[in-house]
Amino acid sequence: AQKVTQAQTEISVVEKEDVTLDCVYETRDTTYYLFWYKQPPSGELVFLIRRNSFDEQNEISGRYSWNFQKSTSSFNFTITASQVVDSAVYFCALSEPQEDSSYKLIFGSGTRLLVRP
Amino acid sequence: DTGVSQNPRHKITKRGQNVTFRCDPISEHNRLYWYRQTLGQGPEFLTYFQNEAQLEKSRLLSDRFSAERPKGSFSTLEIQRTEQGDSAMYLCASSSPLDLYREAFFGQGTRLTVV
Repeated sequence: AQKVTQAQTEISVVEKEDVTLDCVYETRDTTYYLFWYKQPPSGELVFLIRRNSFDEQNEISGRYSWNFQKSTSSFNFTITASQVVDSAVYFCALSEPQEDSSYKLIFGSGTRLLVRP
Repeated sequence: DTGVSQNPRHKITKRGQNVTFRCDPISEHNRLYWYRQTLGQGPEFLTYFQNEAQLEKSRLLSDRFSAERPKGSFSTLEIQRTEQGDSAMYLCASSSPLDLYREAFFGQGTRLTVV
């Protein structure tokens, strides 16, 4: 069965610190997609990144970076030089591609990040 | 605004009442999803539409829940005889196969409180 585990319930850092959010997943399929979403207090889920199972290259986007390691079934997310605006709940999610290209996302329980000034 | 729109944003209802939520997806998206998010948890998949056809329903969607997308545009999610356990955030998302990254775009959700 598919499962996503985010063991860190809440993380608190001081502004400008680096922080890594962990994500471990389980799936029996060889083809799958991994996602990170941000949920600010306003409630909507904001898409951050999608990575397919065949692409293990790490990715950097500004202050955000992602480390995908199939050997450990992990897809960790690092924010460099954190800012107060980064405070939110972050979700890791897994999806197996369907024949009709639909998405059924399996989410982790989320990590609440609090960045203090 | 061209994002996914959900109404109402908040709903408080008494146990036993019926409630209906609406979702307007991004206009060119033919796929629409409903998720439920309880406090402190990640969203859980409820159901999925491709155009007007409801193609998949989760076991979470009990007989008291019904979703429709009559013309393949907006969708409604109705909960009959609400129970306190139905209190949650109900999220709608849409996606298009034509989108390069094909991720789902989420609305801001409808927060339901059953008292």
